[in-house]
Amino acid sequence: GENVEQHPSTLSVQEGDSAVIKCTYSDSASNYFPWYKQELGKRPQLIIDIRSNVGEKKDQRIAVTLNKTAKHFSLHITETQPEDSAVYFCAAFYFGNEKLTFGTGTRLTIIP
Amino acid sequence: DVKVTQSSRYLVKRTGEKVFLECVQDMDHENMFWYRQDPGLGLRLIYFSYDVKMKEKGDIPEGYSVSREKKERFSLILESASTNQTSMYLCASMFRQGNEQFFGPGTRLTVL
Repeated sequence: GENVEQHPSTLSVQEGDSAVIKCTYSDSASNYFPWYKQELGKRPQLIIDIRSNVGEKKDQRIAVTLNKTAKHFSLHITETQPEDSAVYFCAAFYFGNEKLTFGTGTRLTIIP
Repeated sequence: DVKVTQSSRYLVKRTGEKVFLECVQDMDHENMFWYRQDPGLGLRLIYFSYDVKMKEKGDIPEGYSVSREKKERFSLILESASTNQTSMYLCASMFRQGNEQFFGPGTRLTVL
């Protein structure tokens, strides 16, 4: 089955700096890669996703890049703000498998 | 807005008790999921269902069963609760494969 590794497990960055979280996946058939954000005490919510026919996707300060050859994808947050502090989960999916496989999460702390 | 609700936010049970966790979604989604969330382990899939009365095992189904008698409702059952089932349980629903999953608020279960 699919295996998703996520690094780092914790990340602290100064407010205004950029943060990068990386994930690798094992199954080359995976074709959908969402990122979820979970604030303290809240439910996970989708913040951005990318499909395998696209190499990069941006939404304001958030971007995701995908390297299918190397089987890794990354979340980039620029100009970080205190409200970006949360746990971020990457995930991988392919239609034949019907289920999403999540990474183990990254706790991002923004230092004011 | 999609709404996914779970029957309890906090639950305390004793070892050996039968436990029911219920999830309801109001958006006519085909697919529903049960995850458990533990620190450092991310979100692990217990069971999922892609239609009424259909169920599929996830990655960690041992000790759990599920029921989906109606499209909007997906129940997780712990036949005989054990202390290692103390965890946060998250339900999610999804319209179609490869789309956003919407999570419930979670149930923190403690088994004494």
